[in-house]
Amino acid sequence: DTEVTQTPKHLVMGMTNKKSLKCEQHMGHRAMYWYKQKAKKPPELMFVYSYEKLSINESVPSRFSPECPNSSLLNLHLHALQPEDSALYLCASSQDGGQGKGYTFGSGTRLTVV
Amino acid sequence: SQQGEEDPQALSIQEGENATMNCSYKTSINNLQWYRQNSGRGLVHLILIRSNEREKHSGRLRVTLDTSKKSSSLLITASRAADTASYFCATASNDYKLSFGAGTTVTVRA
Repeated sequence: DTEVTQTPKHLVMGMTNKKSLKCEQHMGHRAMYWYKQKAKKPPELMFVYSYEKLSINESVPSRFSPECPNSSLLNLHLHALQPEDSALYLCASSQDGGQGKGYTFGSGTRLTVV
Repeated sequence: SQQGEEDPQALSIQEGENATMNCSYKTSINNLQWYRQNSGRGLVHLILIRSNEREKHSGRLRVTLDTSKKSSSLLITASRAADTASYFCATASNDYKLSFGAGTTVTVRA
């Protein structure tokens, strides 16, 4: 299996809702990432997990809460989001932190906050 | 945070022509990578060039890296309609961060 699977593909949520984005990989990659991408912009790093521990938080608001239950799964819990949080959320994994090989990205979750 | 700039922002070419795009970055790097993104979907890794390499080929792709100028270029030869996409360069340093450039949108006309 050489894929990163993200669910759901689309999500519409109200500002008072709580939802979660899920990401799964079975490549044995030890680093996993959440990126946020606005339309016509490059992806922006949110969080990095290395060996199931949060190693980087790019000053992301607390309404975004990451979780790594095991080495294959990565969740992003969403609560009290704002309309400006609407974006494509991308999960990625890498074998070696991108030092020798590239990242594998999922297809993303298109999030709309209403 | 965004590492650098890509040039041009958009490129329109005829099928069969070559497409060249450039990337500049600001800090020292371990490697530079190029990704393709089709219409708001996930990114696909194309090629990685290490900081001690100057040129690399993969199929119809040719990447160059000039660390003295902090710049890289991606050449796609004999373009096809399926090459229509956004192309991003990304730099990797020691800190497990992959930082993306602004991207170049390539349109290949049939």
